[in-house]
Amino acid sequence: GNSVTQMEGPVTLSEEAFLTINCTYTATGYPSLFWYVQYPGEGLQLLLKATKADDKGSNKGFEATYRKETTSFHLEKGSVQVSDSAVYFCALNGAQKLVFGQGTRLTINP
Amino acid sequence: DSGVTQTPKHLITATGQRVTLRCSPRSGDLSVYWYQQSLDQGLQFLIHYYNGEERAKGNILERFSAQQFPDLHSELNLSSLELGDSALYFCASSPGQGFLFSFGSGTRLTVV
Repeated sequence: GNSVTQMEGPVTLSEEAFLTINCTYTATGYPSLFWYVQYPGEGLQLLLKATKADDKGSNKGFEATYRKETTSFHLEKGSVQVSDSAVYFCALNGAQKLVFGQGTRLTINP
Repeated sequence: DSGVTQTPKHLITATGQRVTLRCSPRSGDLSVYWYQQSLDQGLQFLIHYYNGEERAKGNILERFSAQQFPDLHSELNLSSLELGDSALYFCASSPGQGFLFSFGSGTRLTVV
């Protein structure tokens, strides 16, 4: 079945550092790919998505490119802020549901 | 605000008990999904309802059941609770059977 493997956390960076969170997937067909973010005490929010190969999703300075050849959808941001501290989930659509990775906890220190 | 309302926010109960978690989807959304988030298991899909009908089941225990009512709100019933059932339970809704999910803020269940 469809599955997502995410870079294990936690990840701790200093403010203004470059961020990469790795995500690879296994799927039949051509799924849509998503990144969700969960701030402390809140539910998940959609951060960005891509629906086909070579699509780039972007939002709030975050980017991810759908790479079919490497089955990856890595999340990147050029300069992180303290407010980016959260848990990030990579996901893809399976049959009648979203399948999530394990989540990566990101902490940004000032 | 996602528009998805979950109640209660916190629940503490004893082993062997039964609880009901409630979810009101965003206005106009017909699909409701339930997920369990525990520390060591990540987000696990439990069940999906679309317009009152069950459409997909994940690794939902037999002690758990759910339903979606005519007004589209959904309830997740957890019975014979065990310590291992302690987790965050999230509800998400979407307009149809696609994946424009809106998540509620979750119910934190603690079984003692």
